[in-house]
Amino acid sequence: GAVVSQHPSWVICKSGTSVKIECRSLDFQATTMFWYRQFPKQSLMLMATSNEGSKATYEQGVEKDKFLINHASLTLSTLTVTSAHPEDSSFYICSAYPGTAPSYNSPLHFGNGTRLTVT
Amino acid sequence: DAKTTQPTSMDCAEGRAANLPCNHSTISGNEYVYWYRQIHSQGPQYIIHGLKNNETNEMASLIITEDRKSSTLILPHATLRDTAVYYCIVNSARQLTFGSGTQLTVLP
Repeated sequence: GAVVSQHPSWVICKSGTSVKIECRSLDFQATTMFWYRQFPKQSLMLMATSNEGSKATYEQGVEKDKFLINHASLTLSTLTVTSAHPEDSSFYICSAYPGTAPSYNSPLHFGNGTRLTVT
Repeated sequence: DAKTTQPTSMDCAEGRAANLPCNHSTISGNEYVYWYRQIHSQGPQYIIHGLKNNETNEMASLIITEDRKSSTLILPHATLRDTAVYYCIVNSARQLTFGSGTQLTVLP
């Protein structure tokens, strides 16, 4: 149980275009999902917290107008990279807790990531 | 979240136990110790977590010292597929903060 699915697994896009990444919780509902970014040979960095039915919360230094997050249902959050540039090339990973009010005693489950390459 | 310290890399022979240490000397009373691993180009995989007591599941064992200032993840019989970056995370927030982790390489 507790499967998080991301789509697509990888995407190549041209500079200036927009790319949408989907994150789905397949067998549970999640009021909150988290989006991370990972550059080569670096650790995961939290970008934003996606809240169902409300605005996302972005970490310091992450441009909310560039990385649009929509969490329209309890099983789907989307991240849209707008006007992509080569420096946005990275590995994007989403995650979620089963349940609506996770405790500290609740593992976070991750998708398998989306490799974005902007040419 | 409390800061954790892990060795940058470790090697382990296939079939032997892999013992991965983690220091978290500033851990507070309500913070859990979580272990995840990340195989190259995949999302992190949850392994195990604990608060005070030692824990064991089908993947690994977690040994937490009595003062909770350090812990050890034990993979009892490492295989080549266990080669990955292992992250020790002390969690008191809904999101997880990842450090640099330990690159475990299982050698044939």
